[in-house]
Amino acid sequence: GAVVSQHPSWVICKSGTSVKIECRSLDFQATTMFWYRQFPKQSLMLMATSNEGSKATYEQGVEKDKFLINHASLTLSTLTVTSAHPEDSSFYICSARDRWEGLRYEQYFGPGTRLTVT
Amino acid sequence: AQTVTQSQPEMSVQEAETVTLSCTYDTSENNYYLFWYKQPPSRQMILVIRQEAYKQQNATENRFSVNFQKAAKSFSLKISDSQLGDTAMYFCALTTQGGSEKLVFGKGMKLTVNP
Repeated sequence: GAVVSQHPSWVICKSGTSVKIECRSLDFQATTMFWYRQFPKQSLMLMATSNEGSKATYEQGVEKDKFLINHASLTLSTLTVTSAHPEDSSFYICSARDRWEGLRYEQYFGPGTRLTVT
Repeated sequence: AQTVTQSQPEMSVQEAETVTLSCTYDTSENNYYLFWYKQPPSRQMILVIRQEAYKQQNATENRFSVNFQKAAKSFSLKISDSQLGDTAMYFCALTTQGGSEKLVFGKGMKLTVNP
């Protein structure tokens, strides 16, 4: 159980275009999802916390208008990178918390999406 | 604010040996949870072990165990009988009860298990 999927796993887009990444909890409901960015050989950097039915909470320094997050259902959150530039190339990872796990406070991670902007 | 520190960027160990990964943290909260995550070359984050701060007993999961020293704010991971599949980045992480539920990660440590 507790599987999180991401789609696509790898995407290449041209500079100036937008790309959407989906994060789905397959076998549980997630009121809270998280989006991370990871550069090679570095740790995960939290970008934003996504709450179902409400606006996302962005970390300091993350551009809200550039990284649009939508958490429209209990099983799906999307990250849209708008007007992508080469510096947005990175590995994006989502995670989700099971709404019924309460005190476990465990996050289940998706397999990640590699974004390359040319 | 919470912080997690992993001071060893890289370690190597021979297959079947035991290795200990260190982690220290800082938080002013009383109720918190600590985790060790593994990220193999596939880059899928995998939970290795978790520890609730209110539990005095150290968590164990098969070959993985922790040494949780609450007063010293230390949370080390011991891997026994190391296997080639243990080669990965290991991240120590902390979250506190209530609040934003965010995970705070350490910088990670690359572990290589040699045959």
